[in-house]
Amino acid sequence: AQSVTQLDSHVSVSEGTPVLLRCNYSSSYSPSLFWYVQHPNKGLQLLLKYTSAATLVKGINGFEAEFKKSETSFHLTKPSAHMSDAAEYFCVVTLTGGFKTIFGAGTRLFVKA
Amino acid sequence: DSGVTQTPKHLITATGQRVTLRCSPRSGDLSVYWYQQSLDQGLQFLIQYYNGEERAKGNILERFSAQQFPDLHSELNLSSLELGDSALYFCASSVERGTDTQYFGPGTRLTVL
Repeated sequence: AQSVTQLDSHVSVSEGTPVLLRCNYSSSYSPSLFWYVQHPNKGLQLLLKYTSAATLVKGINGFEAEFKKSETSFHLTKPSAHMSDAAEYFCVVTLTGGFKTIFGAGTRLFVKA
Repeated sequence: DSGVTQTPKHLITATGQRVTLRCSPRSGDLSVYWYQQSLDQGLQFLIQYYNGEERAKGNILERFSAQQFPDLHSELNLSSLELGDSALYFCASSVERGTDTQYFGPGTRLTVL
C-alpha cells in the first residue's frame, strides 16, 4: 500500500537560514514523487517532481529534493529561506500508471525575520 | 495562473441541499482530478476522470458524484449536504496519467450552514 508521511507538521526557520522539510513514502511500485506549495487562500503550485530520471531534483524558487530509495525519503531543501517561502508544503506520491494520488498531511513553514 | 478554472469561488448553502462545482482543465489536458481539503482530513483525493471516463476513485462519499463532459470540463455534484462537507474543493488537470504533473485550480470554498 502507498503512504506518505511528512515528519513535521510545523517548521520554523529564520530568514536566510536553510530549510529542510522531511517526507517519507511507502510504495510497492516505482513511485512518482512531487512537492507542492500552497500559499494562504491559494491553490497548489508544483515545486518539483521526481520520476526516476535523476535522484537530485531541482525545482522553482531555489528548492530541491533528493530521492533516496534506501531510506524511502524525498526531503525538500532550500539553502536560504525567504519570507515569501512561508506557506504549506505537501509531499505527494503517485503510482507509476497513476491510478491514485496520495498527499502527505502537509508541513507549515514559518519564516522569521 | 495554472490555467485551470473553477467556479464558483465561494458557495454557501444549507444542510440537505445539493450543489454543483465546475472545473475547466488546462487546454489540452485530458485528465481531471477532484480533491477535498478540510482542516481535520487534510487534502483528500476524491476522483479522477480521463477523457470522459472515470479512472480512479479515492475517498469519495456515495452522496458525491462527478462527470467529465465531451469538452473535457468536469462537474462535481454534492448532495444531501452535511456540515462536515464544508471544505475547499480543488480541481486539478494533467495531460494524461496520474504521474504527470497536476495543475491545480484556485478552489471552491463550500460552506454548509
